Amino acid sequence: DQQVKQNSPSLSVQEGRISILNCDYTNSMFDYFLWYKKYPAEGPTFLISISSIKDKNEDGRFTVFLNKSAKHLSLHIVPSQPGDSAVYFCAALAGANNLFFGTGTRLTVIP
Amino acid sequence: EADIYQTPRYLVIGTGKKITLECSQTMGHDKMYWYQQDPGMELHLIHYSYGVNSTEKGDLSSESTVSRIRTEHFPLTLESARPSHTSQYLCASSTGGHAAKNIQYFGAGTRLSVL
Repeated sequence: DQQVKQNSPSLSVQEGRISILNCDYTNSMFDYFLWYKKYPAEGPTFLISISSIKDKNEDGRFTVFLNKSAKHLSLHIVPSQPGDSAVYFCAALAGANNLFFGTGTRLTVIP
Repeated sequence: EADIYQTPRYLVIGTGKKITLECSQTMGHDKMYWYQQDPGMELHLIHYSYGVNSTEKGDLSSESTVSRIRTEHFPLTLESARPSHTSQYLCASSTGGHAAKNIQYFGAGTRLSVL
């Protein structure tokens, strides 16, 4: 059973607007969450992370929000740029164990 | 910038052939991983290693095998390739430990097609 879920396979956003990518998880033992970005024909690249003791982490245009009670996290990109077009994977880990990935959301930023 | 390399990038091979996918990292990371990913699906962990001479099977059963004789090298081998092995294979490494030290850095992947 999938422990990390990204229910939106794709998202289209106009350049300059906000992109919001969502992720849900089922395992309450997860204590660290990461977002990866993947361009075609490349491997995933680490983007931003958040510890379960926080509810927000910001890095430039990227902000990750964590709602532990809802077992939900989201990635906000503002303003969105055409170069942000990629597949975004949510991932989670519990302690020093291995990562669990979602199925990804393909973001298209329209110029 | 992560220094982890996979070769070949693309491989088309006939059924029954033996293949080895190479993965090397120059960051001195102890932990290395192999993932398999089909289009539109999540990354599935098939093998991992915590260090030299340590290998473990991941969450997804795989007919492939791995070895870790050197810290920097983690090759994956399929003794007899089949069409069901057609997929993208991604190698990653991390320093290990908890949380921020467990951020994994990925290679560009090998896209394997077995005819």
